[in-house]
Amino acid sequence: NAGVTQTPKFRVLKTGQSMTLLCAQDMNHEYMYWYRQDPGMGLRLIHYSVGEGTTAKGEVPDGYNVSRLKKQNFLLGLESAAPSQTSVYFCASSYSERSSGNTIYFGEGSWLTVV
Amino acid sequence: LAKTTQPISMDSYEGQEVNITCSHNNIATNDYITWYQQFPSQGPRFIIQGYKTKVTNEVASLFIPADRKSSTLSLPRVSLSDTAVYYCLVGLNNAGNMLTFGGGTRLMVKP
Repeated sequence: NAGVTQTPKFRVLKTGQSMTLLCAQDMNHEYMYWYRQDPGMGLRLIHYSVGEGTTAKGEVPDGYNVSRLKKQNFLLGLESAAPSQTSVYFCASSYSERSSGNTIYFGEGSWLTVV
Repeated sequence: LAKTTQPISMDSYEGQEVNITCSHNNIATNDYITWYQQFPSQGPRFIIQGYKTKVTNEVASLFIPADRKSSTLSLPRVSLSDTAVYYCLVGLNNAGNMLTFGGGTRLMVKP
């Protein structure tokens, strides 16, 4: 049981390049999330999804797009990377049932540097 | 959204009990309170969750007063490996709740 898996783990981009981060979960979770974490800071929600085919904006959505074509996958795209997007990106997932509260399972992170 | 407030940092020594308090004055009736632990270069992981009164597991205890406007994470007899950032999260997994994290509390355990 892999849990939440992110690829790639490390990437260096040039300003203006595009890339996609892939998140996969094998727990049949309805909800999936993308967070970013800058050095010494807390996590900020970029986008989230409450089910296959649906996405919504979080706190800091500008410069990012997402897609949830399959329940187990949640893709985060950077169309034109900027140095301000240098960060660690965490994908997460959770059940939707109220009885589960809001236990979130995180991936190991993807380190992105934009030069 | 229920906003949370935690101390930015705390220091402790090995073997001591550590209590980290989180304020959430506008918690909603159906909101749970969940604490996460994050080590450097890793994603946060679940520690404990509660709704009211006291919850205890093999790792920690969570104390929630009757008004639920705050909660306290208690770590008994900490060790160096408990050095981490601890996040308090309040909210329910329903559409419209974005499950935002606060800045967390950076706990440093010293020998």
